[in-house]
Amino acid sequence: SQQGEEDPQALSIQEGENATMNCSYKTSINNLQWYRQNSGRGLVHLILIRSNEREKHSGRLRVTLDTSKKSSSLLITASRAADTASYFCATQGGSEKLVFGKGMKLTVNP
Amino acid sequence: DAGITQSPRHKVTETGTPVTLRCHQTENHRYMYWYRQDPGHGLRLIHYSYGVKDTDKGEVSDGYSVSRSKTEDFLLTLESATSSQTSVYFCAISESWLAANTGELFFGEGSRLTVL
Repeated sequence: SQQGEEDPQALSIQEGENATMNCSYKTSINNLQWYRQNSGRGLVHLILIRSNEREKHSGRLRVTLDTSKKSSSLLITASRAADTASYFCATQGGSEKLVFGKGMKLTVNP
Repeated sequence: DAGITQSPRHKVTETGTPVTLRCHQTENHRYMYWYRQDPGHGLRLIHYSYGVKDTDKGEVSDGYSVSRSKTEDFLLTLESATSSQTSVYFCAISESWLAANTGELFFGEGSRLTVL
């Protein structure tokens, strides 16, 4: 299985701090995506990074991908209480399905 | 927000009864998917559709069937609900296969199903 696995499973930080979440996977991929899920809501796409890319930015988000280590990290800078949510990485290789990790819960305390 | 509506949003039913969940989209996207979300399992793909009347199985399709008679509607049916099918069900849509090019996989708000 190429399922991504987020680490840590839960993270609690103070507003203004940076939050780093990691995702490890097992097989080669074409792309890796990060999603956010607020409590009781659907998932919202945050960012996609392709296997030939090493880093991408979107607003306060920075994603890195290290295909040699089969890992990715999502950095949220200057976190806000509104960033409190569950975050999922999802991997896709070839014609394989998009496989989601189990998610990690981020709590940003005001 | 993408125009995706799931109904019902909440349902409680008894073991052995049939249940149908509906996903309606206004985006005219070709691909539609049904996922289930369970603690400790993340999201798992049940079935998907790549066009009207074109559907295929995902990784956890046993006990589920789907139909897509119109571009905008994708129905998920539990023929005889079991307690193991208690879950939150999400519909998703995309223009390209699993949004591989753009990552634009849009999710509905979910349907919480409890099977007693």
